[in-house]
Amino acid sequence: AQSVTQLGSHVSVSEGALVLLRCNYSSSVPPYLFWYVQYPNQGLQLLLKYTTGATLVKGINGFEAEFKKSETSFHLTKPSAHMSDAAEYFCAVFTGTASKLTFGTGTRLQVTL
Amino acid sequence: KAGVTQTPRYLIKTRGQQVTLSCSPISGHRSVSWYQQTPGQGLQFLFEYFSETQRNKGNFPGRFSGRQFSNSRSEMNVSTLELGDSALYLCASSFSIQGGEAFFGQGTRLTVV
Repeated sequence: AQSVTQLGSHVSVSEGALVLLRCNYSSSVPPYLFWYVQYPNQGLQLLLKYTTGATLVKGINGFEAEFKKSETSFHLTKPSAHMSDAAEYFCAVFTGTASKLTFGTGTRLQVTL
Repeated sequence: KAGVTQTPRYLIKTRGQQVTLSCSPISGHRSVSWYQQTPGQGLQFLFEYFSETQRNKGNFPGRFSGRQFSNSRSEMNVSTLELGDSALYLCASSFSIQGGEAFFGQGTRLTVV
């Protein structure tokens, strides 16, 4: 079975500060990993994905994530937070055996002045 | 290229009624998945269809059902609505059964009163 753990349901950072959202996964087979963002009353928008190859993946809006197999982690970072980054972020894992996305519980990012 | 379209955006139903939600995937995408999002349970997988066949089903009661048409459009139905069915229902489409990269619609907000 696959699962995702997101540490911290709420994260608050100052504008211009580093954003770090944590995600750990569990999977018995090599996973595909995703980060999605959700703005209020909206669906999910794909930020970035890891399938195979380079372990550091870059996404939209300046976000990036690094796949670390030894730590079973896929943390999301952004060097400098912007007010528009305030949203809920979901980490998800997909395996062909399960044929579905399994989501973490989400992290709400607050950006303050 | 048009995104995933879900209709209607908002619905209010009474307990005991049934409801049908619709999802039109991105053109060329043959896989459609449905998710339920609630504050308490987060994002939970309902079912996934590929080429009109249900390939995977989540842990939901039989009151939740779905289907996919030959043009890949999908519907989900909930019968005998309960208050706990109030949620945001999200549809996601993917090009193939591999890879898991899913594109989400804006969702249908169902309120059961």
